[in-house]
This record gives sequence, C-alpha cells and structure tokens, in this order.
Amino acid sequence: AQSVTQLGSHVSVSEGALVLLRCNYSSSVPPYLFWYVQYPNQGLQLLLKYTSAATLVKGINGFEAEFKKSETSFHLTKPSAHMSDAAEYFCAVGAGGGGATNKLIFGTGTLLAVQP
Amino acid sequence: KAGVTQTPRYLIKTRGQQVTLSCSPISGHRSVSWYQQTPGQGLQFLFEYFSETQRNKGNFPGRFSGRQFSNSRSEMNVSTLELGDSALYLCASSRGEGALSEKLFFGSGTQLSVL
Repeated sequence: AQSVTQLGSHVSVSEGALVLLRCNYSSSVPPYLFWYVQYPNQGLQLLLKYTSAATLVKGINGFEAEFKKSETSFHLTKPSAHMSDAAEYFCAVGAGGGGATNKLIFGTGTLLAVQP
Repeated sequence: KAGVTQTPRYLIKTRGQQVTLSCSPISGHRSVSWYQQTPGQGLQFLFEYFSETQRNKGNFPGRFSGRQFSNSRSEMNVSTLELGDSALYLCASSRGEGALSEKLFFGSGTQLSVL
C-alpha cells in the first residue's frame, strides 16, 4: 500500500529565503509522486510530478523536487520565497503504481507562510 | 478553454437530507474523480469514473454514490447527511484513462455545510 508523510504542518519563511517542504513516501511499487498547491478557496493545482524519469523534477513557479529512493523522500524546494507562495502544499502518491487509475493518496498538507 | 466546473459552489443542508453535487470536466476529458477534503481527515479519495464506468471507490459508506454521464459530466450524491459530511468536495478530470502520467485538473470545489 502507498502512503505519504509530510513533516511539519506549518512552515514559516521570510521573503527571499529558501523554501523546503518535506515529504516521505511508502510504496510497494515504483512510485508516482506529486506536489500540489492549494490557495484559499480554490482547488488543487499541480506543481510538479515524478514518474520515474529524471530524479530532479522542475515544476511551475520556480519549485523543484528531488526523488531520493534511498531516503524514500520527495522534498519540495524553492530557492527564494515570494509572498505569492503563501498557500497549502500537498504531497501525493499514486495509488495504482502506474495502472489505469488517477487515484491519489495525499499527505496531510503543509501550510506555508511567507513573512515580509 | 474552460476549466473543471463544480456546482454549486456553496451548499447548506440539514442532517438527514440528501445532496447532489455536479462536476463538468474540461472539454475532451473522459476521466473524473472525486475527493473529500476536511480539516480532520485531509484529502480522501471518493471514487473515479471513466467512460461512465466506476473504476475505483474509496473507503466511504454506501450513502456516498456517484455516476458519470455520456458527456463525461459527473454527479455525486450523499444521502442521509450527517454532520461529519461537512467538507469541501473536489472534482478532478483528465483526458484519458489515467495511469497518473497525465495531468489532473481540479475544480474549485463545492463547500458543503451540514447543520
């Protein structure tokens, strides 16, 4: 069975500082991993996804994540935080292991605050 | 191109009532999935449809049901509402059968409040 754990329900950074949001996964098959962002009163928007190609995945808005199999991690980073990055971030793993399903298992989310 | 449209945006019901939520996927998308989002349980998978067939169902009681129409629009129904059903219900669509290599597009959700 697949699962993800997000470490830290709240993270606060200063504008211009490094953003690091942590996600560890558990999967019995090679995982499909995702990061989504949710702004207040909105749905989820895909930031990036890992599907067994390059281990360093670049996404939108300057975010990237590195897949580390040895650490079962898929941490999200951004070199310099912007005020507009304040949102809730969700890590997710595909439940089907690549089969014909879009079922995702989400982490509990990390609320990112950016201080001026 | 219009995104995933969910209606209504907000809904208030009382315990024991039933509710129907609607989701119109992006034009050309044939796969629709539903998620429930609550502060306590987070995001949980409800069900998934492709070409009018339910392919997957999450761990929810039978009061939760759904369907997909030939135009790919989907509805979910919750009968005998309970206070714990208060949540944001999100719909997502993708073009094909999934396999997670495709991009999922989420709607803004329907916020259901059960009083």
